[in-house]
Amino acid sequence: SAVISQKPSRDICQRGTSLTIQCQVDSQVTMMFWYRQQPGQSLTLIATANQGSEATYESGFVIDKFPISRPNLTFSTLTVSNMSPEDSSIYLCSVPFRRTGELFFGEGSRLTVL
Amino acid sequence: GESVGLHLPTLSVQEGDNSIINCAYSNSASDYFIWYKQESGKGPQFIIDIRSNMDKRQGQRVTVLLNKTVKHLSLQIAATQPGDSAVYFCAERRVAQGGSEKLVFGKGTKLTVNP
Repeated sequence: SAVISQKPSRDICQRGTSLTIQCQVDSQVTMMFWYRQQPGQSLTLIATANQGSEATYESGFVIDKFPISRPNLTFSTLTVSNMSPEDSSIYLCSVPFRRTGELFFGEGSRLTVL
Repeated sequence: GESVGLHLPTLSVQEGDNSIINCAYSNSASDYFIWYKQESGKGPQFIIDIRSNMDKRQGQRVTVLLNKTVKHLSLQIAATQPGDSAVYFCAERRVAQGGSEKLVFGKGTKLTVNP
């Protein structure tokens, strides 16, 4: 298994500001995934972050809104830019388990935008 | 469309009863399925998985059934306990943008276990 730490665990933000979420993994992983979970909803993949290359975004998500960094094999950041109340969600970092492909998730970062 | 959905958003059972949570998926090419449990304020936790070349897999108190003919997945929890109260998501593995694999999650079923 993998231990995934996310910061911040929760935050309250003002409209129009940006917030960067950090994800630290206790082992080296090639792929990291960022998911969004809106209130009472399921998880939606935002992007796949590979070390040494640009993140790959899913339909409906763009780099200008959700820039991602992946400086090394154990760390990634997701920025939520120019936030609006619609961005209030839990943002989750996840990594695959090499042997089977299941995903391990962090505890998530719960953002509330006022 | 691209979706993994669930038949019931909520399920309430008595402690000790068996629970069955259902999931319908739409992509017949999906080869791997996972059930996750998410407790309040926490990230999803892996419960059990199954590959498309199987129709049943058992774990400790949990069983996953896969019916590829009707694209249906179910999670059975035996002797449900209060600690099983959570939201349960099914997920299927598909190809993401750029060719890598991704998990697509269903809408979730909230299980409440009454003492």
